[in-house]
Amino acid sequence: AQSVTQLDSHVSVSEGTPVLLRCNYSSSYSPSLFWYVQHPNKGLQLLLKYTSAATLVKGINGFEAEFKKSETSFHLTKPSAHMSDAAEYFCALNYGQNFVFGPGTRLSVLP
Amino acid sequence: DAGVIQSPRHEVTEMGQEVTLRCKPISGHNSLFWYRQTMMRGLELLIYFNNNVPIDDSGMPEDRFSAKMPNASFSTLKIQPSEPRDSAVYFCASSETTDTQYFGPGTRLTVL
Repeated sequence: AQSVTQLDSHVSVSEGTPVLLRCNYSSSYSPSLFWYVQHPNKGLQLLLKYTSAATLVKGINGFEAEFKKSETSFHLTKPSAHMSDAAEYFCALNYGQNFVFGPGTRLSVLP
Repeated sequence: DAGVIQSPRHEVTEMGQEVTLRCKPISGHNSLFWYRQTMMRGLELLIYFNNNVPIDDSGMPEDRFSAKMPNASFSTLKIQPSEPRDSAVYFCASSETTDTQYFGPGTRLTVL
């Protein structure tokens, strides 16, 4: 069975400080991994994806994520948070026709 | 490209009424997904189609829910009869393979 765990339901950071959103996965295979962002009353937007190429993946809006197979992790980071980053973030994995989303992490950015 | 288009954006109906949600996937995409999002249950996959054929409908809650994809550019999700517990945001997503999914803006359904 495949699953995605997001360890923090809510993360709060100050503007200008680093962001770390954690994601761990369980899969019997080598999955593709994704991060999506959802702003209030909006659909999900793809931030970045990993598909067995470089383990450090750069996405939009300054986000990046590192795939660590030994830790089964795919944590999302950003060096400096901006107010506009406040949103819900979802980690997801895909293998074949199986697409699984994590429960989401709500990011708050304080002025 | 206009992206995934969903209609209506908001729907308010009374319990027992039929509700039809519509989705137009991105042109050229051959997979289409319907999701439901609630505070309690998060994002749930209801059903997905590949080349217009339903592949996995194990997430469909019960017989009141049905989905069709008569052609590559249109899909519907129907609830009949609707119940208050069906209130949620319903998302449609499409992908060129079953890899990266692109989401529509969602339909916010309220059943009174």
